[in-house]
Parts: sequence; C-alpha cells; structure tokens
Amino acid sequence: DGGITQSPKYLFRKEGQNVTLSCEQNLNHDAMYWYRQDPGQGLRLIYYSQIVNDFQKGDIAEGYSVSREKKESFPLTVTSAQKNPTAFYLCASSIVGQGIQYFGAGTRLSVL
Amino acid sequence: GENVEQHPSTLSVQEGDSAVIKCTYSDSASNYFPWYKQELGKGPQLIIDIRSNVGEKKDQRIAVTLNKTAKHFSLHITETQPEDSAVYFCAASINNNNDMRFGAGTRLTVKP
Repeated sequence: DGGITQSPKYLFRKEGQNVTLSCEQNLNHDAMYWYRQDPGQGLRLIYYSQIVNDFQKGDIAEGYSVSREKKESFPLTVTSAQKNPTAFYLCASSIVGQGIQYFGAGTRLSVL
Repeated sequence: GENVEQHPSTLSVQEGDSAVIKCTYSDSASNYFPWYKQELGKGPQLIIDIRSNVGEKKDQRIAVTLNKTAKHFSLHITETQPEDSAVYFCAASINNNNDMRFGAGTRLTVKP
C-alpha cells in the first residue's frame, strides 16, 4: 500500500526539549516537504528536499532542522529554539517538476 | 514572492446546492493551481488541479476555472453532499513544486 506515513500522530514537547517527527514514503518520490499548519492559516513551508543529502529552507525554517539520508525518509526536528511549536505538521512528497503533492496524515505537536 | 488569498473563510450550504470558493494570486508567472480537501485530523488530499494553459477543468461534480488575466481561480462544487464538508485549500505554484503557496482555507459545511 503506497503512501506517506507520519508518526507519531500526537506529540508533546517539554520546554527546552528537542523532538523529532517522522515522515516515511514508499512512493519513490524524490521531493519531500514539511509544512506547518496553524488554525485559520494556510500551509507554510518549513523545509524541502529534492534529492538525498540536500535540503533547502522554506519560509519558516527558524527553530527547525531536517535531514535526508535516505530517499524514503525526511525527519523534522523541532528544536528548543522554536518558541511557538504548537501546530499541526504535515509532510508531503512529489515527483520533481510534476506539481502534485501527496500528504501524510499529520502530527499534532503540543507543548506541556 | 507569491501570495494567495482565499475567500470565503467559511461557507455553509444546504445539501444539493452549489458551493463556490475563490482564490487570487499575485505572481503572473504562476502556472499550476491545485485544490486540496482536508478532513478533520487528516492530511490534505488533491481533488482537482489546473494548469495555466487551460481555462476550465471538470471532474464529475467538481470544476475549477482559471482567469489568468485577472489572476484568480475558483472551485465549483455542484449538488453538494454532507460528505463534501471539509476544509478546502487552493494553491499556486510557478515551478510545480517547492514554491507552492497555499490559501488560508475555506471551511465548507453542507447541511442535510
């Protein structure tokens, strides 16, 4: 069954803690993306990657970090530098240059 | 950069009626315009898209129109059903991928 899997579904972060959100895809897509979704706002791009071992900052990269060691995986770390991390985080993937992005089910991050 | 505005933010219709959601974009170079449907607690799913070389596209009860001169595009849902209730996002992209910008979303409620 092809698709994008995000885990966990819910995540809680303590102050000063780094947390990592997982995103795995088996669609054989080269491009992967992380978005942040806040109530009443559209999706905002955090980071994207179009090839293994390479990634670029999006519009709101501060306080986040990513890695792309494997084509299938694009984990997002929310660092302690991100002072307002509470949001719904969405991972997506696509074939480079084809436009259509396929989204995972999301991870809801809250601060304890 | 590209800026996408979406209206209305909420829309309530009676089952069987039509629903129209409108978006405007700022960058005349944008050439790809997808629409996504997001159900509660899930990731967005592509429902229809249009490229700048066509003015209208239909898929059963869903249609999208594009006016390049005015830089706006619209989603039309006819014969609405309760299962159409969701949040709908428009987006615009120049290079089909990493530059995609999303509207703030429209919460559609279809009352039985």
